[in-house]
Amino acid sequence: GAVVSQHPSWVICKSGTSVKIECRSLDFQATTMFWYRQFPKQSLMLMATSNEGSKATYEQGVEKDKFLINHASLTLSTLTVTSAHPEDSSFYICSARGHLSYEQYFGPGTRLTVT
Amino acid sequence: QKEVEQNSGPLSVPEGAIASLNCTYSDRGSQSFFWYRQYSGKSPELIMSIYSNGDQEDGRFTAQLNKASQYVSLLIRDSQPSDSATYLCAAFTGGGNKLTFGTGTQLKVEL
Repeated sequence: GAVVSQHPSWVICKSGTSVKIECRSLDFQATTMFWYRQFPKQSLMLMATSNEGSKATYEQGVEKDKFLINHASLTLSTLTVTSAHPEDSSFYICSARGHLSYEQYFGPGTRLTVT
Repeated sequence: QKEVEQNSGPLSVPEGAIASLNCTYSDRGSQSFFWYRQYSGKSPELIMSIYSNGDQEDGRFTAQLNKASQYVSLLIRDSQPSDSATYLCAAFTGGGNKLTFGTGTQLKVEL
């Protein structure tokens, strides 16, 4: 299967600071990337969908000014959590899909802890 | 009604048995279905895709699709303790661009 990487794998930051998470497709061109959040023992929650070169489409209830998504190339998408608060602490996972493909591959996830 | 429904489990099977995981979906227009495995604390891993009615086999895994009854299943033969994980069923729904996931079934394979 295709490989998706994420960096960092975990991060601890102070309340009020911003954190950037990178998602890269390593062996394919990802025309569409997705960002999910997962709280302990809960389901995946889709936050936003981004197509390369376009603005991201956010799910209802997700603040687009707080969670900034950039999909500037076919292999890289970034999620920036701005002015992070303890309630933003979660497991953030990206996934990617190539052109004309239905299969979606997940990165290993980034565990964010806001103190 | 949720778009993709799974029994949350846990489903317990003895080592070496066949584990059967089921999923139903509500959108008759759905054409593509996927099974993901998620270990605790890890991200989901794609294990099977199925697009047409019938069975699709890959090693110890068999995915089954019945569009008339709107269900998808995953069979795991010769279950191993390492198969213990949460299995997520997913489908493209609503003619959209995104996958809809079920809440997952927790599988426990006991020695």
